[in-house]
Amino acid sequence: GAGVSQSPRYKVAKRGQDVALRCDPISGHVSLFWYQQALGQGPEFLTYFQNEAQLDKSGLPSDRFFAERPEGSVSTLKIQRTQQEDSAVYLCASSLLRTGEDTQYFGPGTRLTVL
Amino acid sequence: EDKVVQSPLSLVVHEGDTVTLNCSYEVTNFRSLLWYKQEKKAPTFLFMLTSSGIEKKSGRLSSILDKKELFSILNITATQTGDSAIYLCALRRASGTYKYIFGTGTRLKVLA
Repeated sequence: GAGVSQSPRYKVAKRGQDVALRCDPISGHVSLFWYQQALGQGPEFLTYFQNEAQLDKSGLPSDRFFAERPEGSVSTLKIQRTQQEDSAVYLCASSLLRTGEDTQYFGPGTRLTVL
Repeated sequence: EDKVVQSPLSLVVHEGDTVTLNCSYEVTNFRSLLWYKQEKKAPTFLFMLTSSGIEKKSGRLSSILDKKELFSILNITATQTGDSAIYLCALRRASGTYKYIFGTGTRLKVLA
């Protein structure tokens, strides 16, 4: 079946704008992760969902970042009042098991540029 | 503070060479260590290691974990240009978080 998809693939926002990034995980996958990857760095964990429950949001950098997965499938990462330091690639990954320890399948990412 | 350090940061080799990539870590209550290959955007899974001394192998790639000395290595034999990528190491703790901690990666370039 289809892999993890993310949209948009590219987003340019003016500083102060709100943005919403979408992740469509593989159907039936219980676990969903969001990561932020700055240029030249490894992915940084943002948050984790098990079905619709957000079990770990320890990586969200500020209260401007908000994520949801209301029906346990599609997830949205929202960034309010974007700032230049939010510029990065945002990666979503899903995995089948509720432990989140099995193979994570990553989406292609959304490259966010904040001007 | 948990951390993952990968070395070297970058590496250029010729086709046919063998490379060894290193991942050292510090973590409270280790659970698993994973290796990923990132070519353009999405990292793809290579190996998950939980036990010391047991080699995982897939084709020309292999990996092993040393939980006493707190490191893992990823070996690639008979490298090909298609192996050119960033190789990422990630760590997960046993409890209290679902967070994976990634290293900055090793950028490998294989020349024809």
